[in-house]
Amino acid sequence: AQRVTQPEKLLSVFKGAPVELKCNYSYSGSPELFWYVQYSRQRLQLLLRHISRESIKGFTADLNKGETSFHLKKPFAQEEDSAMYYCALSIGHGQNFVFGPGTRLSVLP
Amino acid sequence: DGGITQSPKYLFRKEGQNVTLSCEQNLNHDAMYWYRQDPGQGLRLIYYSQIVNDFQKGDIAEGYSVSREKKESFPLTVTSAQKNPTAFYLCASSPGGPPDTQYFGPGTRLTVL
Repeated sequence: AQRVTQPEKLLSVFKGAPVELKCNYSYSGSPELFWYVQYSRQRLQLLLRHISRESIKGFTADLNKGETSFHLKKPFAQEEDSAMYYCALSIGHGQNFVFGPGTRLSVLP
Repeated sequence: DGGITQSPKYLFRKEGQNVTLSCEQNLNHDAMYWYRQDPGQGLRLIYYSQIVNDFQKGDIAEGYSVSREKKESFPLTVTSAQKNPTAFYLCASSPGGPPDTQYFGPGTRLTVL
């Protein structure tokens, strides 16, 4: 079965420090990977998806099929990045999304 | 924030009672989803619907039921058969089915006393 793991429940970094939120998935085919974010008192929303190859709010994520990873990175964390981050996997049309357990990022001043 | 709405925000029910959670969207999306969010477990799919009058079970459908009589509406009923109904419930919609981006509602927190 498809599975998404996010090994860190909580990640704390200082403002201006680099941040990396880890995501690993289990699927042998061609997955589509997403990062969703939930800021305090806001709805869960899409941050980025790998097929777009965009940088959103300074975040990037590269799909590494060899390591089955889709880690989220930002070179200089900001306090407003503090939120809950979920990695999600879709294996194609008509198939479900599978969400990871989430990582809470706390950016300290 | 319109688009997709859930009501009520907080819901309290006595054990043994069925309760229905509302989800409405005005985005003209074909697909709608119900997730359950528990601490440390992320989002788990309960049911999803890709078109009107059709829906499929997700990973944790037992004790839940849904209907999709209108494109805009996808209500979730938590029945008395659900062993641990106290949770945060999220509804989402997407233009088509996966892997389209999902748009989430604000959620309903259900507490069964």
